[in-house]
Amino acid sequence: QVQLVQSGAEVKKPGASVKVSCKASGYTFTGYYMHWVRQAPGQGLEWMGWINPNSGGTNYAQKFQGRVTMTRDTSISTAYMELSRLRSDDMAVYYCARDRAPIVVVPTANDAFDIWGQGTMVTVSS
Amino acid sequence: EIVLTQSPGTLSLSPGERATLSCRASQSVTSSYLAWYQQKPGQAPRLLIYGASSRATGIPDRFSGSGSGTDFTLTISRLEPEDFAVYYCQQYGSSPKTFGQGTKVEIK
Repeated sequence: QVQLVQSGAEVKKPGASVKVSCKASGYTFTGYYMHWVRQAPGQGLEWMGWINPNSGGTNYAQKFQGRVTMTRDTSISTAYMELSRLRSDDMAVYYCARDRAPIVVVPTANDAFDIWGQGTMVTVSS
Repeated sequence: EIVLTQSPGTLSLSPGERATLSCRASQSVTSSYLAWYQQKPGQAPRLLIYGASSRATGIPDRFSGSGSGTDFTLTISRLEPEDFAVYYCQQYGSSPKTFGQGTKVEIK
């Protein structure tokens, strides 16, 4: 079945970087945009950006520009999100989520998110 | 950036009752690119509605979405025990893709 499986929980010190992985299965990885969304404890959802797994093109929310890097490895159908210069307010569950429409149908990453990873908890603490 | 405001913050209802959730946008949502998600504690969000009114795969027909422009509604016709959760609206027509702050539907 279609699923996204993320890497395990991370504990990082302030100022460090974290890299979260998201392995796709059950569909053509390069055929759908992949988004990253985070959720601080007890808070709402915050979109961070997307990557086009086919071209490697990215679009980041302005809030994260300069600190976030989204990459992919098509040989293993895996997307990555790296966040640098971590602060205490970066502590959150990080989700990858697939764009609902295939890139060939909607080439502009303008669709809802139909498949979500299970989430990766990132704790930032000295 | 489009700001989405959901109301009410909490809805206290009994199983079998009708739930009406509101999502208001600070500016018109492009082409009704508005989605609704359900999230239960410790779980990832689940897509319910996209395009303001289309049900996602496998979503029961007691869930319905409506609206356009700046005002959108999610209706759950008869609440089942498994429907008590937090619901988020999201606009995905313009960047950044933003979410509302959520409405919690709790058991009365």
